Amino acid sequence: AQSVSQHNHHVILSEAASLELGCNYSYGGTVNLFWYVQYPGQHLQLLLKYFSGDPLVKGIKGFEAEFIKSKFSFNLRKPSVQWSDTAEYFCAGTGFQKLVFGTGTRLLVSP
Amino acid sequence: GAGVSQSPRYKVAKRGQDVALRCDPISGHVSLFWYQQALGQGPEFLTYFQNEAQLDKSGLPSDRFFAERPEGSVSTLKIQRTQQEDSAVYLCASSSLRGTTEAFFGQGTRLTVV
Repeated sequence: AQSVSQHNHHVILSEAASLELGCNYSYGGTVNLFWYVQYPGQHLQLLLKYFSGDPLVKGIKGFEAEFIKSKFSFNLRKPSVQWSDTAEYFCAGTGFQKLVFGTGTRLLVSP
Repeated sequence: GAGVSQSPRYKVAKRGQDVALRCDPISGHVSLFWYQQALGQGPEFLTYFQNEAQLDKSGLPSDRFFAERPEGSVSTLKIQRTQQEDSAVYLCASSSLRGTTEAFFGQGTRLTVV
């Protein structure tokens, strides 16, 4: 069965620090991968997605993620975080129809 | 509307009560999904519709959970005889294409069973 795992449950950073959130998936077939963000009190929003092609994907708000097939990973990165990036981040993947989420990472950025 | 709309935003139910949660997807979206998000967890898949057809209901936790989308637009998730473990945020998402190429989420309904 397809699964997605996120290793960092809580991350605390200072503004301007670099961010990398881990995501690993297990699925043998073609996989589509996503990162969603949920700001406090708001709905899930798509940050970026990978379907095929260039494994380095750029999303909104300066985020990017790299698909490394050999490591079954799709880590999220941002070179310099801002206080407004405080949110919960979810990695998700699908082989067909069903979008499977990781447990999420709560990011707190202190000013 | 411009986005996925869910109602009510908050629902408190007494144990044993039946509840109905509504989802208005983005107009014209073919696919509709329901997820359950418990506190501190990621969203868990419940069920998937393509137009009015329920193609996957493997995530529904028990036969107390029932979802429908009779005209291929608005969907209702019904929970009968609610129990405390049903307390969670119920998320609805819709997608313009078959499957989950890109899903747009509503703000969810927070259900608390007391």
